[in-house]
Amino acid sequence: KAGVTQTPRYLIKTRGQQVTLSCSPISGHRSVSWYQQTPGQGLQFLFEYFSETQRNKGNFPGRFSGRQFSNSRSEMNVSTLELGDSALYLCASSFRDRGLEQYFGPGTRLTVT
Amino acid sequence: GENVEQHPSTLSVQEGDSAVIKCTYSDSASNYFPWYKQELGKGPQLIIDIRSNVGEKKDQRIAVTLNKTAKHFSLHITETQPEDSAVYFCAPDGSGNTGKLIFGQGTTLQVKP
Repeated sequence: KAGVTQTPRYLIKTRGQQVTLSCSPISGHRSVSWYQQTPGQGLQFLFEYFSETQRNKGNFPGRFSGRQFSNSRSEMNVSTLELGDSALYLCASSFRDRGLEQYFGPGTRLTVT
Repeated sequence: GENVEQHPSTLSVQEGDSAVIKCTYSDSASNYFPWYKQELGKGPQLIIDIRSNVGEKKDQRIAVTLNKTAKHFSLHITETQPEDSAVYFCAPDGSGNTGKLIFGQGTTLQVKP
């Protein structure tokens, strides 16, 4: 089975712009979770989707949003980028109903200048 | 609140020795306790997990033990090899939450040949 794929792998954006990141889960997995990883804050939960519905959301501002499509693929969007949004954005998928046995993709490295 | 602490933050061992990393969590309602390994440039890899109704689980050289009363669980790696060198994270689930793992700060393990 193919693993979780994320595109693009690297991205450079300017402050004030917006960005969309994409995640394709493992075939058959219906839960997709997103995390932000930074040296200072570590790995922090952003949100989780299951069957196109957001079931859970972390403590991030409304500039961070996401969605899930009927084929379980997911996107996350960050609007009005700030320098502090520079991070590795990780997507994880799970076939478990509570979305806990998570398998991660390689991440998208976002740099905001 | 949700608080997860890992110790030690760095660990250096000789090849063939054992390594133990401990994770303490605050939420007594957590029921799922995984360990992840992250190598440079990659996403976290699930290496072993345990549920709250089990005290110990082994998979070849890796084991996880859980003490739910004391709210801590540990990763044990025996006969360490240089390829075990990586950052290890514990990530208990956020109680009652779907798809949300609370990551510890990480432990950098170095195995010297």
